[in-house]
Amino acid sequence: GAGVSQSPSNKVTEKGKDVELRCDPISGHTALYWYRQRLGQGLEFLIYFQGNSAPDKSGLPSDRFSAERTGESVSTLTIQRTQQEDSAVYLCASSLAARGGGGSQHFGDGTRLSIL
Amino acid sequence: GENVEQHPSTLSVQEGDSAVIKCTYSDSASNYFPWYKQELGKRPQLIIDIRSNVGEKKDQRIAVTLNKTAKHFSLHITETQPEDSAVYFCAAIRGGGSYIPTFGRGTSLIVHP
Repeated sequence: GAGVSQSPSNKVTEKGKDVELRCDPISGHTALYWYRQRLGQGLEFLIYFQGNSAPDKSGLPSDRFSAERTGESVSTLTIQRTQQEDSAVYLCASSLAARGGGGSQHFGDGTRLSIL
Repeated sequence: GENVEQHPSTLSVQEGDSAVIKCTYSDSASNYFPWYKQELGKRPQLIIDIRSNVGEKKDQRIAVTLNKTAKHFSLHITETQPEDSAVYFCAAIRGGGSYIPTFGRGTSLIVHP
């Protein structure tokens, strides 16, 4: 596609519910990243995929967070039993290659998650 | 792991002035340094980047300098315009191992007309 696409753009849900966020990277981009950005804060790394494997899950805040990726395409980030502190914008980025010091990352518009 | 410090957190300038944002990093193995601009409510967008084999790179009113010895890199914006107002993030990426970028906390740049 023309750019990184994320859905939904906004999600409001009750505390305790599960949510699933979707990211469609740019076609051909092998690396995919998930970040969390709280209001007025910087980018907090969550997880990184190279192809469909996740070499680094160190940023996932708790075992309520999980992510998967199908091949070198769509990725989903799942948050189970949501808590109010999960409220944030969840950004996805993709890049051509991670090797060689990294390719430039292209970000999606993010999913704004609000937990009531 | 890598640690990136970014200063200042807020920068207010008059239209036409120059703005400089500085970042330092800790991991000498970092070799790629992108800068992102994020307007309010929008996605971060890459505006310029530099690799460790280069000391300076310029693109119109934007330039980035890198001092590998001192482990710091800076973003320079000349002839600032109100549309330059945004939050700017620096990042450092380590090559040859983990490819996770470490971001600075961001600088909120305000350009007054």
